[in-house]
Amino acid sequence: NAGVTQTPKFRVLKTGQSMTLLCAQDMNHEYMYWYRQDPGMGLRLIHYSVGEGTTAKGEVPDGYNVSRLKKQNFLLGLESAAPSQTSVYFCASSRDRAYGYTFGSGTRLTVV
Amino acid sequence: AQTVTQSQPEMSVQEAETVTLSCTYDTSENNYYLFWYKQPPSRQMILVIRQEAYKQQNATENRFSVNFQKAAKSFSLKISDSQLGDTAMYFCAPDGGSNYKLTFGKGTLLTVNP
Repeated sequence: NAGVTQTPKFRVLKTGQSMTLLCAQDMNHEYMYWYRQDPGMGLRLIHYSVGEGTTAKGEVPDGYNVSRLKKQNFLLGLESAAPSQTSVYFCASSRDRAYGYTFGSGTRLTVV
Repeated sequence: AQTVTQSQPEMSVQEAETVTLSCTYDTSENNYYLFWYKQPPSRQMILVIRQEAYKQQNATENRFSVNFQKAAKSFSLKISDSQLGDTAMYFCAPDGGSNYKLTFGKGTLLTVNP
């Protein structure tokens, strides 16, 4: 049981480049989330999904897009990367509010 | 948007001693859940303990326990018999009610000294 898998684990982008972060979970969870973690800021919600085919904006959605075409996958896209998007990105999934989240191991993204 | 305040950016404790991390939050919900997560240097987010707001009894998991004061909207974490492996960033995270979204505090960096 792999839980939540994020790929890649590290990436360096040039300003203006695009990329997609993949999150995959094998626990049949309905709810999936993308957060970013910056020093001194905690984790901030970017986008989330309450089920296959649905997405919604979180606290800091600008510059990001997401898709949830299959229940097990939640993709985070950066169309034109900016240095302000340098961060550690975490994906999480949840089956029930009583149990909280299961997190992936994170992706460290640097935009130069 | 829900706000979560962890007023201690950094704390340190000697091995085997007890330490308490504080957390306050706001919410208009009556029924909700609260969580403490631990993030060691490996970066992995690990669930430490959870509390159901409608339960008056404070949650306990081995050396970890909470002091939940619903009226005061306070949710502190007590670590007893601190161990070197407890060195980590600790995040308080209440849920907002709908859509199972957790709001995280900015964290408390705990260092356990030998």
